[in-house]
Amino acid sequence: SQQGEEDPQALSIQEGENATMNCSYKTSINNLQWYRQNSGRGLVHLILIRSNEREKHSGRLRVTLDTSKKSSSLLITASRAADTASYFCATFFNTNAGKSTFGDGTTLTVKP
Amino acid sequence: DGGITQSPKYLFRKEGQNVTLSCEQNLNHDAMYWYRQDPGQGLRLIYYSQIVNDFQKGDIAEGYSVSREKKESFPLTVTSAQKNPTAFYLCASSISLAMNTEAFFGQGTRLTVV
Repeated sequence: SQQGEEDPQALSIQEGENATMNCSYKTSINNLQWYRQNSGRGLVHLILIRSNEREKHSGRLRVTLDTSKKSSSLLITASRAADTASYFCATFFNTNAGKSTFGDGTTLTVKP
Repeated sequence: DGGITQSPKYLFRKEGQNVTLSCEQNLNHDAMYWYRQDPGQGLRLIYYSQIVNDFQKGDIAEGYSVSREKKESFPLTVTSAQKNPTAFYLCASSISLAMNTEAFFGQGTRLTVV
């Protein structure tokens, strides 16, 4: 099964609301990254959080990492219709450089 | 503009044919990757390359082959041995395989077997 698993699979909110997505993983990681994908397009990197970091911010994005629970969350504040996309977490391991695992993603729909 | 370019955007393959997907980057990145994405799913790693003339199998390499003759190019061949090749293929690159670097993705190639 995938190392990273997002929850929920789908999320629908109104513009202006906050959106929270969660990611769980199974083994020790070096870092965890969040990516965004618009339908039928490539992925765009959003934020990277290292295993020794607990929280990171970038604009309206806030990412937390709890290595004891092997989980991460992505919070998008004051969402906009343009935030509608799929969001993936990717885990990168302490060993076997190059090997990364992506979850199945959370599909976010922001209604105007 | 610096970036990573995949071509073609759409590709149709007949049963039993080999097809090659192109991936070119002008970011001067050492590491390059190929992923497969099926509908509603995440990415699965096919092959990755750390440096020219070197590449490693990912999680689903069977039925695929790659080459890395130039730093900027990492073509993927989908062979007739790949039994279910219809998917969205994504190429990515990063500065190195060092684990604290982000990956830059191309816009993908959608392959359909007809």
